[in-house]
Amino acid sequence: DVKVTQSSRYLVKRTGEKVFLECVQDMDHENMFWYRQDPGLGLRLIYFSYDVKMKEKGDIPEGYSVSREKKERFSLILESASTNQTSMYLCASRRQNYNEQFFGPGTRLTVL
Amino acid sequence: KNQVEQSPQSLIILEGKNCTLQCNYTVSPFSNLRWYKQDTGRGPVSLTIMTFSENTKSNGRYTATLDADTKQSSLHITASQLSDSASYICVVSENDMRFGAGTRLTVKP
Repeated sequence: DVKVTQSSRYLVKRTGEKVFLECVQDMDHENMFWYRQDPGLGLRLIYFSYDVKMKEKGDIPEGYSVSREKKERFSLILESASTNQTSMYLCASRRQNYNEQFFGPGTRLTVL
Repeated sequence: KNQVEQSPQSLIILEGKNCTLQCNYTVSPFSNLRWYKQDTGRGPVSLTIMTFSENTKSNGRYTATLDADTKQSSLHITASQLSDSASYICVVSENDMRFGAGTRLTVKP
């Protein structure tokens, strides 16, 4: 079974703090994704990565950056957290040229 | 405007009853349509996938249908169980994936 893990299930940070969300997958998948999920809006793509050291902006990249130094790990960085970044963050991975994405359990981030 | 619209937003049914969730999309062309189940506090898990040429796909008590002409899909759940309580998300894929906002289903005893 594919396993996608995220470093924290719940996280509370203060405005202006730098926040790191970590995602690790164990199936040697090339592609990895970061989404945020807000009520009534569905999942929105923040960034994705086709492979190591590669990154592409998704639909809502503003205020975020990412890092993919190793194939199994994809990090989402909030340089200066703001209250409007309070959300559920979901990481996903998939094998290149396959459609199905496998999701992690999510990190619920609250920015005070 | 979201390219994938789901209805209803939420639904409450009694255990053992059937229900149908709807998904309308404007993504065109598309390569496939997938239904995900997301339990509370967990990430989405794929239930069914259909290509544009398929019009029905079953996975146990879950049956998805697709009408590519009207751009509608439905997910029918038969003989609901308490464990069916979850959000159900419709996802339409072209070059990228477009997610619906989901339907929150609650099954009560």
